[in-house]
Amino acid sequence: GAGVSQTPSNKVTEKGKYVELRCDPISGHTALYWYRQSLGQGPEFLIYFQGTGAADDSGLPNDRFFAVRPEGSVSTLKIQRTERGDSAVYLCASSMTGRDTQYFGPGTRLTVL
Amino acid sequence: SQQGEEDPQALSIQEGENATMNCSYKTSINNLQWYRQNSGRGLVHLILIRSNEREKHSGRLRVTLDTSKKSSSLLITASRAADTASYFCATDRGNTDKLIFGTGTRLQVFP
Repeated sequence: GAGVSQTPSNKVTEKGKYVELRCDPISGHTALYWYRQSLGQGPEFLIYFQGTGAADDSGLPNDRFFAVRPEGSVSTLKIQRTERGDSAVYLCASSMTGRDTQYFGPGTRLTVL
Repeated sequence: SQQGEEDPQALSIQEGENATMNCSYKTSINNLQWYRQNSGRGLVHLILIRSNEREKHSGRLRVTLDTSKKSSSLLITASRAADTASYFCATDRGNTDKLIFGTGTRLQVFP
């Protein structure tokens, strides 16, 4: 079956703009995760959904970052008033039930000019 | 913040040689997973080893886990040029499902 998909694959925006990043998890996976990876580093956790609810949002860096998963499948990560420091690859992963293998999408490379 | 570290940070070997990468972590865990990443994009899952397991194999991959030392190793036998990538270990712990990644090992396999 299809893996995790993310759109867009690349996003270039200007400082201060609003962006939305989309994640389509593997069908039937109830758990969905967002991570952020800076150059030369390992991915860092942002937020985790179990179904429609955010079970853990402790990794969101500040209130400019927000994520939703209204129907328990597709998720959108929203970043307001983007800053140059937000530039990174944003990775989405899903797992069957949580505390299991997490399958990652190809990522969205965000560049804030 | 990163949970742990992989060492070495970079490793260069010839095709056919074995590659060993190590991962250390700081707190008790539920599971430890190894991932491969090519060109800084999506991560490919390699192996998940649970805290009550000591060793797992998958094809040319062998993973060990020593919870008393809070460390794991990934061995790739008979390496190929296609194994060139960055390798990360990731742990989940306590009552949280989020993965905490190490800093990665960059493996270069020369043909």
